[in-house]
Amino acid sequence: DTGVSQNPRHKITKRGQNVTFRCDPISEHNRLYWYRQTLGQGPEFLTYFQNEAQLEKSRLLSDRFSAERPKGSFSTLEIQRTEQGDSAMYLCASSLSDAGLREQYFGPGTRLTVT
Amino acid sequence: LAKTTQPISMDSYEGQEVNITCSHNNIATNDYITWYQQFPSQGPRFIIQGYKTKVTNEVASLFIPADRKSSTLSLPRVSLSDTAVYYCLVGDTYSGGGADGLTFGKGTHLIIQP
Repeated sequence: DTGVSQNPRHKITKRGQNVTFRCDPISEHNRLYWYRQTLGQGPEFLTYFQNEAQLEKSRLLSDRFSAERPKGSFSTLEIQRTEQGDSAMYLCASSLSDAGLREQYFGPGTRLTVT
Repeated sequence: LAKTTQPISMDSYEGQEVNITCSHNNIATNDYITWYQQFPSQGPRFIIQGYKTKVTNEVASLFIPADRKSSTLSLPRVSLSDTAVYYCLVGDTYSGGGADGLTFGKGTHLIIQP
């Protein structure tokens, strides 16, 4: 399967703990995006990378959230000191930045539950 | 910031053509219009993208009037499996355009009945 993969698919953690999610994009895609989605809402943009550079970060993103994309391949999203409000589906997507192929391909998501 | 407005929900029947309209009055010159489909517990899936006039692919058509202040996604002969949430996005996706092109909104929940 050459699609976007995310691990883990589900994560249950206690409030105050740190969690880390991983995203493996489609191999030739140089852009990688992170979104958060809660029930009944559309995906909310968090941040995106072009290769290893983090180009944009949502102003709504708490400083407890950090993302990395070392070597421009996979990416990790870490949430420190989790809160119940962090419970959501975390989606990763990738795309090419070349003209003519601009659509994002999404992974299945990681569902986080903070108790 | 180009924001979009879509109906919250729509109903239709199998075999019908469904048109979902998105308003984007503040669309900028460089902005493209992109539609995604999302099923429960899955990530969104790209449907179609356009800049002006009409774009058609194997699953949908996208109609964009000359003023580009709105767009209409047309799904021909829908089936039960087209029941999903449909999102309209507007932004400059060529250059990344910051996060403007990455704002999904609440989307339109399309329900297809037998």
